[in-house]
Amino acid sequence: EAQVTQNPRYLITVTGKKLTVTCSQNMNHEYMSWYRQDPGLGLRQIYYSMNVEVTDKGDVPEGYKVSRKEKRNFPLILESPSPNQTSLYFCASTLTSGSSYNEQFFGPGTRLTVL
Amino acid sequence: KQEVTQIPAALSVPEGENLVLNCSFTDSAIYNLQWFRQDPGKGLTSLLLIQSSQREQTSGRLNASLDKSSGRSTLYIAASQPGDSATYLCAVTNYGGATNKLIFGTGTLLAVQP
Repeated sequence: EAQVTQNPRYLITVTGKKLTVTCSQNMNHEYMSWYRQDPGLGLRQIYYSMNVEVTDKGDVPEGYKVSRKEKRNFPLILESPSPNQTSLYFCASTLTSGSSYNEQFFGPGTRLTVL
Repeated sequence: KQEVTQIPAALSVPEGENLVLNCSFTDSAIYNLQWFRQDPGKGLTSLLLIQSSQREQTSGRLNASLDKSSGRSTLYIAASQPGDSATYLCAVTNYGGATNKLIFGTGTLLAVQP
């Protein structure tokens, strides 16, 4: 089954404790991205990757890091989480960038709480 | 700067009714527009993708239209069912950028009453 998977689905942590949220897709997509969803602010892009070893900042990158060493995986790293990073996080992927044909597929989400 | 607006913010209808959800965007230079469904605490499920050159797309009881020149899209749901209850989001991808960034509206919360 074609899908985007994320782990963990739920995470409660404390301020300053490094964490990684994994994202994997099995559709051979080149483009992957991370969004966060907050009440009243909607979904905003954090980082994106157009291909292996090619990443760039989205609209709200502060406090996050990413890496893209393999095509299928795009982990989101919070080196020193803070309470304002409490949010619902989504990973998404699509075949390529800059095309009208590209339907984007989302993972199930990771609900993160930083105490 | 592209802005996406969805009206109404919430909608409650009796089962069986046909309904229309609205999405408007300020910059008509888009690659495509995508409609999603989000159930409470869950991920986003893609419903329909309309390319910028298309006027509409259909999938089952869903029909989405796009009027790029006026910056509007509608999602028509026929014969609504309680299982259609969810938040519906529209999102556009701006033309000319390589980021494929989706710019989302704030969503319409739909409740279909049995």
